[in-house]
Amino acid sequence: NAGVTQTPKFQVLKTGQSMTLQCAQDMNHNSMYWYRQDPGMGLRLIYYSASEGTTDKGEVPNGYNVSRLNKREFSLRLESAAPSQTSVYFCASRPDWVSGYTFGSGTRLTVV
Amino acid sequence: DQQVKQNSPSLSVQEGRISILNCDYTNSMFDYFLWYKKYPAEGPTFLISISSIKDKNEDGRFTVFLNKSAKHLSLHIVPSQPGDSAVYFCAAEGEDTGGFKTIFGAGTRLFVKA
Repeated sequence: NAGVTQTPKFQVLKTGQSMTLQCAQDMNHNSMYWYRQDPGMGLRLIYYSASEGTTDKGEVPNGYNVSRLNKREFSLRLESAAPSQTSVYFCASRPDWVSGYTFGSGTRLTVV
Repeated sequence: DQQVKQNSPSLSVQEGRISILNCDYTNSMFDYFLWYKKYPAEGPTFLISISSIKDKNEDGRFTVFLNKSAKHLSLHIVPSQPGDSAVYFCAAEGEDTGGFKTIFGAGTRLFVKA
């Protein structure tokens, strides 16, 4: 029962490098989300996908792009990493608005 | 502008006693509220929720209370156990002109002492 799987778990990037965070869910959920968590702050929504083929900006989308590859997979790309993007990133999915999110275990990203 | 506030960064409670975690919100658009629990190096897990049409929801040792007039909700854990030691996030949800939104508080770290 995998739930939401994120890779990698840890990553260190140099400023200006690019990378893609991968996320997959096996619960047949329509909606998927990318959040970031910073010290002293709540989780903030970066992008979300309400269904396969659609993506929308969240609260803090600048510097990121996403791809909803199919119903299972939702990736987050940093084209040119900046130190301000040092954070813990969580992917999540949700079956409906009543049930709450199912989160992955997170990716700790450091940009130096 | 923090729309959802958890004013206590941490809370320490003796095993067996009650833990009360508080959350305040400012926007009347919120009509659904959730609590999540997070252990280190793991993602948050959904714990319990409450709709604005209710003032209480109970699930085992966990009860969430909602006071709409005060824009305040609380999570009660009775009795507290050492395994409850974690960070607890409240989240408020609702629809406004910008669409459906979920706003998380910054979290409260609960320590349950054996």
